[in-house]
Amino acid sequence: KAGVTQTPRYLIKTRGQQVTLSCSPISGHRSVSWYQQTPGQGLQFLFEYFSETQRNKGNFPGRFSGRQFSNSRSEMNVSTLELGDSALYLCASSRGFEDTQYFGPGTRLTVL
Amino acid sequence: GENVEQHPSTLSVQEGDSAVIKCTYSDSASNYFPWYKQELGKRPQLIIDIRSNVGEKKDQRIAVTLNKTAKHFSLHITETQPEDSAVYFCAASTSGGTSYGKLTFGQGTILTVHP
Repeated sequence: KAGVTQTPRYLIKTRGQQVTLSCSPISGHRSVSWYQQTPGQGLQFLFEYFSETQRNKGNFPGRFSGRQFSNSRSEMNVSTLELGDSALYLCASSRGFEDTQYFGPGTRLTVL
Repeated sequence: GENVEQHPSTLSVQEGDSAVIKCTYSDSASNYFPWYKQELGKRPQLIIDIRSNVGEKKDQRIAVTLNKTAKHFSLHITETQPEDSAVYFCAASTSGGTSYGKLTFGQGTILTVHP
């Protein structure tokens, strides 16, 4: 089985812009979770989608949003980028009825 | 919400020695505890996990123990090798309810195995 894939792998944006990141889960997985990884804050949960519905959300501002499509692919969007949004954004997929999550390679976002 | 503390933050061992990383969690409802290994520039990879109905689980040189009463769990790596050098993260989650798909991670342990 192919693993979790994320595109793009690297992004450079400037403050105030918006960005969309994409995640394709393992085939058959219906749940996609998103995490932000930074040296200072570590790995922090953003949100989780299952069957096109957001089931859970972390403590991030409304500038961070996401969605899931009928094929389980997910996107996350960050609007009005701030310097502090520079991070590695990881998605993880699972079947949805158990907790084992498998991570993608991440998208490295740099905000200048 | 859940809080996971991980110690030590750095661990240096000689090849062949054992390494132990410890985590404590705050939410007694947590019932799933995975460990991930992340090499530089790579994705976190699941190396072992344990559910709350089990006290210990072993996979070759890696073992995890869980003490639900004390709310702590530990990763044990025996006969360490240089390729074990990486950052290790513990995590905790609660199945279902409002906690779907959410892993709460510890801050990570940088393990260095010297040849």
